[in-house]
Amino acid sequence: DQQVKQNSPSLSVQEGRISILNCDYTNSMFDYFLWYKKYPAEGPTFLISISSIKDKNEDGRFTVFLNKSAKHLSLHIVPSQPGDSAVYFCAASAGNYQLIWGAGTKLIIKP
Amino acid sequence: DTEVTQTPKHLVMGMTNKKSLKCEQHMGHRAMYWYKQKAKKPPELMFVYSYEKLSINESVPSRFSPECPNSSLLNLHLHALQPEDSALYLCASSQVGGTEAFFGQGTRLTVV
Repeated sequence: DQQVKQNSPSLSVQEGRISILNCDYTNSMFDYFLWYKKYPAEGPTFLISISSIKDKNEDGRFTVFLNKSAKHLSLHIVPSQPGDSAVYFCAASAGNYQLIWGAGTKLIIKP
Repeated sequence: DTEVTQTPKHLVMGMTNKKSLKCEQHMGHRAMYWYKQKAKKPPELMFVYSYEKLSINESVPSRFSPECPNSSLLNLHLHALQPEDSALYLCASSQVGGTEAFFGQGTRLTVV
């Protein structure tokens, strides 16, 4: 039973445009959400997070939106750059160190 | 530059070998983690240490043995592994009770 779902295995975006990565979850007990970026054969890099008491968090080119009623969050990257090409994981926490991970979305930025 | 450092970066070992993976963090974190990641899959939690004590063991086989000698170091001792244990092994750290874990670069382990 997947509690965190990233339904798009891959996404292709033109350089300079906006990239929108989506994530859905089923467990209403999740109180914190994170996005990680991963290059091949490297560890995930923490990007941005959001608490369930907020609906938006922004850090430079990255913005995460949370819609609790829809149990949906999204990561916006604008403008998209070639170095943004990577696999992006959405993860959710209900406490106790456990992170529940989505399957990942591979983002490809086209020149 | 990552502040969580793992060694070695690559390791090939036979099924009868004993080896250790090492992790060091300089972030002042008191929670440290071992994860396993297979290709095209998200990381899977193996162990969590909090204040140098094992707090979570995700039913990991005993051929994997974690050790936390001090607040900066985390080891994973490997013995009698199987080929299916081949994976990227990731160390991470966070504040105790925190959710933002910071990962090392990983050790690519191949069991032959």
